[in-house]
Amino acid sequence: EAAVTQSPRSKVAVTGGKVTLSCHQTNNHDYMYWYRQDTGHGLRLIHYSYVADSTEKGDIPDGYKASRPSQENFSLILELASLSQTAVYFCASSDAGTVNTEVFFGKGTRLTVV
Amino acid sequence: AQSVTQPDARVTVSEGASLQLRCKYSYFGTPYLFWYVQYPRQGLQLLLKYYPGDPVVQGVNGFEAEFSKSNSSFHLRKASVHWSDWAVYFCAVSMDTGGLSGKLTFGEGTQVTVIS
Repeated sequence: EAAVTQSPRSKVAVTGGKVTLSCHQTNNHDYMYWYRQDTGHGLRLIHYSYVADSTEKGDIPDGYKASRPSQENFSLILELASLSQTAVYFCASSDAGTVNTEVFFGKGTRLTVV
Repeated sequence: AQSVTQPDARVTVSEGASLQLRCKYSYFGTPYLFWYVQYPRQGLQLLLKYYPGDPVVQGVNGFEAEFSKSNSSFHLRKASVHWSDWAVYFCAVSMDTGGLSGKLTFGEGTQVTVIS
């Protein structure tokens, strides 16, 4: 069973503070993603990565940075957290270049910025 | 740009009754479509996926979906709902030609509530 593990599962952060969300996958997948879910909305892509040491911007990258130090690990960084970044964040991974590839999601990190 | 619309935010269904969840997509070219389910406090799990071929796709747990190019739709259905189907269901389309990555555009989701 493919596994994507996120930490922490829940976090309360102060406005203006720095937040780092971590993701670890044991699927041997090349591709990793960070999505954001707001209440009553679908997921939206923030950043993604095709290979270690390289990241790409998704649909809503403003206010977020990403880091991919290894194939297994992918972090999402909020340098200056804001109230509008309160949401649930999902990390995911998938195979590289496989037609109709399946995406495996972590259980999410609930971030509350106060 | 591609988009996905799920017009029903909430659906309530009796256990044992049939279920249909609607999904409309907008995509230039051949869409690769997915249905995911999210159980409370869990990540998303794949129910089924469509790629060009048979318009009816079978998934897990008795779910199936039908693709219609003329209607730009990919509706999900189940013949007999179980209480364990209580969850949020998301329709999604791949941003990449051929669905070669996990870059997905999601619909807003439909909350399914099962009553006895």
